[in-house]
Amino acid sequence: SQTIHQWPATLVQPVGSPLSLECTVEGTSNPNLYWYRQAAGRGLQLLFYSVGIGQISSEVPQNLSASRPQDRQFILSSKKLLLSDSGFYLCAWDRGLGGYTFGSGTRLTVV
Amino acid sequence: AQSVTQPDIHITVSEGASLELRCNYSYGATPYLFWYVQSPGQGLQLLLKYFSGDTLVQGIKGFEAEFKRSQSSFNLRKPSVHWSDAAEYFCAVGARTGANNLFFGTGTRLTVIP
Repeated sequence: SQTIHQWPATLVQPVGSPLSLECTVEGTSNPNLYWYRQAAGRGLQLLFYSVGIGQISSEVPQNLSASRPQDRQFILSSKKLLLSDSGFYLCAWDRGLGGYTFGSGTRLTVV
Repeated sequence: AQSVTQPDIHITVSEGASLELRCNYSYGATPYLFWYVQSPGQGLQLLLKYFSGDTLVQGIKGFEAEFKRSQSSFNLRKPSVHWSDAAEYFCAVGARTGANNLFFGTGTRLTVIP
């Protein structure tokens, strides 16, 4: 069966430190992958999506970047975190007709 | 352009009462429609989806939704709410092909009072 793993679950990082969040999918190949962010009390904001290895589309300009080094791996990064990067980050993969399946999320607090 | 409107930011209902969460969409073609639920600190879980056919679709946890093309709506309903239904609910509209094809509403937070 297909599963999606996202880690870590929570993260507290100082301003100016780097970030790396990882998302992996099992049980499928060549999935479309997505990174979303939820600020407190807000809806979903699409950050990046990828249709294949090395292919990244950015939806909004920001302090973050994404990479897809392997078919089922999607990484969200930052070289220097800002306070405004705090939020809940969600990875998702596209099941096609089945909609998206989401990971369990990472709560990032930048202090 | 595609868009999804959930006009109610926050709804409070009593346990055992009926529930209806509103969703209106704007889409140029026949859409796929979804409802997701998010418990605090968790990812989104698919409740139900509509592709074609019967406009009343049944989902998990006793939820149902009705697609009304004339009203561009896909409202979520439950006849009797349980305390465990307290969560954030997201409506989404999707294209039938391509990537980055699912557009989410801003969500409705449901509070259930005993």
